[in-house]
Amino acid sequence: QQPVQSPQAVILREGEDAVINCSSSKALYSVHWYRQKHGEAPVFLMILLKGGEQKGHEKISASFNEKKQQSSLYLTASQLSYSGTYFCGTEEDNNAGNMLTFGGGTRLMVKP
Amino acid sequence: DTGVSQNPRHKITKRGQNVTFRCDPISEHNRLYWYRQTLGQGPEFLTYFQNEAQLEKSRLLSDRFSAERPKGSFSTLEIQRTEQGDSAMYLCASSLEGSFYGYTFGSGTRLTVV
Repeated sequence: QQPVQSPQAVILREGEDAVINCSSSKALYSVHWYRQKHGEAPVFLMILLKGGEQKGHEKISASFNEKKQQSSLYLTASQLSYSGTYFCGTEEDNNAGNMLTFGGGTRLMVKP
Repeated sequence: DTGVSQNPRHKITKRGQNVTFRCDPISEHNRLYWYRQTLGQGPEFLTYFQNEAQLEKSRLLSDRFSAERPKGSFSTLEIQRTEQGDSAMYLCASSLEGSFYGYTFGSGTRLTVV
């Protein structure tokens, strides 16, 4: 079962902030975040691991609530280049390797 | 390293024909994944290799789909007797076990079944 992302779409003005949420019904080992621009491949942004470790871009932050199996991606002072579709990918905590299940995506448009 | 390479970029085929796609991962990566993506949706898992071993295959994957990764290098995904519902973008990704840098995706192969 795929994770649920919210909102499905958001429109921002340059400089505004946004939060994208990802929720899973499964116990998770990690959550990944990717951004995909139209016609391009998804690009890795950040990984959050069970236990609190995280690695990713300097200008993007995220959180992972292990008790609720929820993650949030925080985009601050948005730039035009942030436009695209954001996907969370979840890795279950059952030693099945690091195969990811992706959410349906959140479409972000940043306007001047 | 030039990243993950997929060929062809586009494939148009008639219903009932067989098609094969190729993926060349980043050379240091020992894990390789195939996903399918339709318009407006997230990537849907198909199958995954660690080195040359196919470790996981989606239950949604019909027996018309098969994938190989000989010698743990490049991988091929074959779809036999294609159907219109197979039309999608097929994405390949690779990663290094234990790495914190996530997946590196290729640009995909767009399949259109007419």
